[in-house]
Amino acid sequence: LAKTTQPISMDSYEGQEVNITCSHNNIATNDYITWYQQFPSQGPRFIIQGYKTKVTNEVASLFIPADRKSSTLSLPRVSLSDTAVYYCPRLNNAGNMLTFGGGTRLMVKP
Amino acid sequence: GAGVSQSPSNKVTEKGKDVELRCDPISGHTALYWYRQSLGQGLEFLIYFQGNSAPDKSGLPSDRFSAERTGGSVSTLTIQRTQQEDSAVYLCASSLSWQGAYEQYFGPGTRLTVT
Repeated sequence: LAKTTQPISMDSYEGQEVNITCSHNNIATNDYITWYQQFPSQGPRFIIQGYKTKVTNEVASLFIPADRKSSTLSLPRVSLSDTAVYYCPRLNNAGNMLTFGGGTRLMVKP
Repeated sequence: GAGVSQSPSNKVTEKGKDVELRCDPISGHTALYWYRQSLGQGLEFLIYFQGNSAPDKSGLPSDRFSAERTGGSVSTLTIQRTQQEDSAVYLCASSLSWQGAYEQYFGPGTRLTVT
């Protein structure tokens, strides 16, 4: 059964680069890897998606090694407003919905 | 364009009462999901609709929970005989299709408090 594991929490300071790693146990060959961000009192927001190697957009970069057993979400030069919970949900066996775990609670300090 | 909207934003109800929560997905999105999030916890899947297909109700915690989706658009989640453990934020999301499950658009949620 596919499962994702990520740290419960992380602290950082403004201006630093933050890397959050997720392990993707038993990820299926065709599955993509996605990351979501959730601010307090809001629903989660899709950030980035990738299959392998590196993907970059205006929000973050996503690094996926060749074996795809993990992924790393990289947030460059974080600010206080990046304080949020970050999720790496997994696709269910039917391939039609995401399962969200507890996520990683990132606290950015001044 | 308009995102996913949910109403009410907050609902306080007495134990034993029924509540209805509404979700308006993004126009054109055929897939609709309901989740529940307790304080400080991750998201718990409740139910999933895809077009005119029978919904996947595998996540509903009890038979007090039900949901419908009229005309392939608006969805209503109903909780009968509410209990205190039902207190949570109920989130709705939509995506273009089941193939778009990776990229779901979430509403702001309805915070339900059962007293």
